[in-house]
Amino acid sequence: DTAVSQTPKYLVTQMGNDKSIKCEQNLGHDTMYWYKQDSKKFLKIMFSYNNKELIINETVPNRFSPKSPDKAHLNLHINSLELGDSAVYFCASSQEGQGMLGEKLFFGSGTQLSVL
Amino acid sequence: LAKTTQPISMDSYEGQEVNITCSHNNIATNDYITWYQQFPSQGPRFIIQGYKTKVTNEVASLFIPADRKSSTLSLPRVSLSDTAVYYCLVGANTDKLIFGTGTRLQVFP
Repeated sequence: DTAVSQTPKYLVTQMGNDKSIKCEQNLGHDTMYWYKQDSKKFLKIMFSYNNKELIINETVPNRFSPKSPDKAHLNLHINSLELGDSAVYFCASSQEGQGMLGEKLFFGSGTQLSVL
Repeated sequence: LAKTTQPISMDSYEGQEVNITCSHNNIATNDYITWYQQFPSQGPRFIIQGYKTKVTNEVASLFIPADRKSSTLSLPRVSLSDTAVYYCLVGANTDKLIFGTGTRLQVFP
């Protein structure tokens, strides 16, 4: 069983289209994330959801909207796709730490988005 | 947020021990040090985490000096399958973790 699964694996689309990427985790974690990895391999956090509430949004354009129907799912909807949106998008999850305990991130295998 | 600095790339041969050092001069008291490994076309995978001194698991060891301003990930007897990018992260909360450029390790036969 895959702990964090995201679909699709590959997504090729035209500029201006709207697309969604789905993510599910079966780890029972409280927090889920979306990360973007660009062509230079920088991995940047986009969103974090804790118990269905958005807790961070790192200056991401409002064309990107995360939607969490329940704490096991965090989908990413992108409107009016642009060439610069081409990247690999990773979903991740973690369990809230307690006290001084560090937390671990569990990542999905990524969605390669290509905007033509 | 504590910034990390690590070598961009390293080369090694199979069977050798590889040590990757990460600098984090501004580490805060509550911060943990965590290392992730990323293979091509996959998401990062947790390797090891520590707060001070030495931590060892089945995959690697993590050495942290008393001042905690640096840390060293040690991979014993690497194999070709250890070729990957290794990220050093410092933080107390997962939503504040910042992935830097990482260290690209290439293992040769």
